[in-house]
Amino acid sequence: GAVVSQHPSRVICKSGTSVKIECRSLDFQATTMFWYRQFPKQSLMLMATSNEGSKATYEQGVEKDKFLINHASLTLSTLTVTSAHPEDSSFYICSARDPQGFTNEKLFFGSGTQLSVL
Amino acid sequence: AQSVTQLDSHVSVSEGTPVLLRCNYSSSYSPSLFWYVQHPNKGLQLLLKYTSAATLVKGINGFEAEFKKSETSFHLTKPSAHMSDAAEYFCVVSDLGNTGKLIFGQGTTLQVKP
Repeated sequence: GAVVSQHPSRVICKSGTSVKIECRSLDFQATTMFWYRQFPKQSLMLMATSNEGSKATYEQGVEKDKFLINHASLTLSTLTVTSAHPEDSSFYICSARDPQGFTNEKLFFGSGTQLSVL
Repeated sequence: AQSVTQLDSHVSVSEGTPVLLRCNYSSSYSPSLFWYVQHPNKGLQLLLKYTSAATLVKGINGFEAEFKKSETSFHLTKPSAHMSDAAEYFCVVSDLGNTGKLIFGQGTTLQVKP
């Protein structure tokens, strides 16, 4: 089946540095990708919708200058956490929609990235 | 607005006994509903989905769920739990318009005791 690759799976960084997370659709072209954030023992919260070739749409309360999203190609979306701080430590998960399928039935998730900011 | 409520944050069963994870939804239209499973530090795997076809939906690994409109419920069941079923389970509803945005429940941790 379709696969979404997310990299890195785990990253530890110093406070003030920036971290880039990649989300790739391996065998389909994803015009839309989604970025979620998950705090320990909590549910997933949608951060933003990434559309290929256009600006991302951010959910209310998510700082677009803090969480930069780039969807430059049909198979790659990146999330950059700029000037990371300890409160940004979280599990970040991407998902990609296969437009060839029936919309929400063709959503595939990456394996997630555990970000720890020291 | 659409929402889902998972009624139990933690469920503990013995191996070989039935599993019931409860979910209620709120939607002003006929929703698309999903159950996802997440193992520790892993991404999400789709167990099953309901999209206005048969109300009893069969998924992978022996799980199934029944859509009950009168009760606005979409409970997940499995006749016999296996140790490998221990994980976090999310009941999910899609947004209006099928844009791909998903709204997650709070999650239920399933513990399976030997």
